[in-house]
Amino acid sequence: DGGITQSPKYLFRKEGQNVTLSCEQNLNHDAMYWYRQDPGQGLRLIYYSQIVNDFQKGDIAEGYSVSREKKESFPLTVTSAQKNPTAFYLCASSMIGSHEQYFGPGTRLTVT
Amino acid sequence: QQPVQSPQAVILREGEDAVINCSSSKALYSVHWYRQKHGEAPVFLMILLKGGEQKGHEKISASFNEKKQQSSLYLTASQLSYSGTYFCGGQAKGGSEKLVFGKGTKLTVNP
Repeated sequence: DGGITQSPKYLFRKEGQNVTLSCEQNLNHDAMYWYRQDPGQGLRLIYYSQIVNDFQKGDIAEGYSVSREKKESFPLTVTSAQKNPTAFYLCASSMIGSHEQYFGPGTRLTVT
Repeated sequence: QQPVQSPQAVILREGEDAVINCSSSKALYSVHWYRQKHGEAPVFLMILLKGGEQKGHEKISASFNEKKQQSSLYLTASQLSYSGTYFCGGQAKGGSEKLVFGKGTKLTVNP
């Protein structure tokens, strides 16, 4: 079955630690995205990538980093510089050219 | 800048109709609509690519007025399964693949 996987589903970290969220897709999509979701805020774009080894900042990139070494993988690192990292993180992918985005199940990160 | 969705929340009885609006201050190339149930990932509903375009699937349809940069989602004869939060996402003209999503409209359908 084709789809997007994110792991883990729930993640707990202490303040000051970096943490990496996994996102893998087997849909052969070129574009991948990371969103952050907070209650009442909708989906806010952190980073996106349209091709391997290239990515662009979204609207709220500060405190986050990404890599795109393989087409199917787009991991997100939440660094200690992110002031309020507790949130629901969603990864998505799509074909290039105004196509629907497919979302993974999300990772709920709690930092205390 | 995020598209503005209205209303923020709506409560219906099964069988009633609803309209959700999405307005953008930027010129849009396309508008996407998604539905998210609590604790789950958003699910794609439809894309509107051209001004004046209307699309529909069963009892959910949408329109896109390019002049006003507004899109509306129409839910007809609502079912319990329509409950969830609806998001519009705008793709700006200029070539980027990224979407900017509105804050969402929470729809509750009661029996």
